[in-house]
Amino acid sequence: GDQVKQSPSALSLQEGTNSALRCNFSIATTTVQWFLQNPRGSLMNLFYLVPGTKENGRLKSTFNSKESYSTLHIRDAQLEDSGTYFCAADNTGNYKYVFGAGTRLKVIA
Amino acid sequence: EAAVTQSPRNKVAVTGGKVTLSCNQTNNHNNMYWYRQDTGHGLRLIHYSYGAGSTEKGDIPDGYKASRPSQENFSLILELATPSQTSVYFCASGRRVSSAETLYFGSGTRLTVL
Repeated sequence: GDQVKQSPSALSLQEGTNSALRCNFSIATTTVQWFLQNPRGSLMNLFYLVPGTKENGRLKSTFNSKESYSTLHIRDAQLEDSGTYFCAADNTGNYKYVFGAGTRLKVIA
Repeated sequence: EAAVTQSPRNKVAVTGGKVTLSCNQTNNHNNMYWYRQDTGHGLRLIHYSYGAGSTEKGDIPDGYKASRPSQENFSLILELATPSQTSVYFCASGRRVSSAETLYFGSGTRLTVL
């Protein structure tokens, strides 16, 4: 819900372009996870983050705990990047993850 | 790769009936979770478990019970199903390394309560 707010709610990208997704947190969180739900419904873990930055291929994610936000950057978007991206915050560090409502991404040729 | 298996994949139930959703993980993860996914809400935590014999209430536990009889199995039970419980349910297990935990999800169970 509003404890983890994702933006934008939906996005359409031309293949080969770059974009950034954002999560803002109104709850205390020590860790953040990012997931991709593909069009078939399967959820895949992309990143687990403590404050800082991680990179994996064309994806890079940053978690800024002081300003309570996280970003997911997608570089050179490909058709297979399409799906819904979720961020989840570890509420007060007790492993109860609170999810945002997701960003629906469509990459078009 | 972590393997989390949910059954059934699809279920149609009648109002007032009992429904049991099953989840099995073969990776010896301590933590397991049940979420439901509804449009506009993302995933919401129903129950979770820290290990065999333990169940904890999540953020929306009303109308649900959970059972963790073993490390591998975690069930979600709807004693008296209602149409508002129509949703897609996901089970996850958590692999913890130091203070980090990565969630691995099953493929989901689509439940329709008529």
